[in-house]
Amino acid sequence: GAVVSQHPSWVICKSGTSVKIECRSLDFQATTMFWYRQFPKQSLMLMATSNEGSKATYEQGVEKDKFLINHASLTLSTLTVTSAHPEDSSFYICSASGVRDRSSYEQYFGPGTRLTVT
Amino acid sequence: GQNIDQPTEMTATEGAIVQINCTYQTSGFNGLFWYQQHAGEAPTFLSYNVLDGLEEKGRFSSFLSRSKGYSYLLLKELQMKDSASYLCAVLDSNYQLIWGAGTKLIIKP
Repeated sequence: GAVVSQHPSWVICKSGTSVKIECRSLDFQATTMFWYRQFPKQSLMLMATSNEGSKATYEQGVEKDKFLINHASLTLSTLTVTSAHPEDSSFYICSASGVRDRSSYEQYFGPGTRLTVT
Repeated sequence: GQNIDQPTEMTATEGAIVQINCTYQTSGFNGLFWYQQHAGEAPTFLSYNVLDGLEEKGRFSSFLSRSKGYSYLLLKELQMKDSASYLCAVLDSNYQLIWGAGTKLIIKP
């Protein structure tokens, strides 16, 4: 149980266009979803935390107008990278929590989306 | 500030044992997680400790000492597939996960 999917798994887009990444919890209700970015050979960097039905909380230095997050239901959150630039090329990973087993705060990760902006 | 320290890189031999340490200074503590991350993939859950002591799960064990702000992940009978980054993360008083930078483990034949 506790499976999280992401779509697409990889995407190439042109500079200036927008890209939407979906994150779904397949077999549980995710009260909280997290969006991370990871550059090569670096650790995870939390971008934002979103709770279903409310606005996302962005980490310092993350532009909320550039990285639009919507958490419209307990099983779906989307991240839209608007007006993407080459420096936005990265590995974007979502995670979800809400399963009440060892810890309701355990985060279950999606497989990630590799974004390349040309 | 909040801080989690773990070694950047470690090397070990196939079949051996390796211990990856993690020390933390956070505002409150509600548990410590270890995750494994292979290159180009998302992290996968390994263990969760909230009480002091050793939790054993197959070849992997995790230890916690809250008074010392210290944890370690012990990997036994190392296999080549264990080559990965190992991430230590602490749940603080606000139930926010604070992540370490990860330890890259290299296994040699």
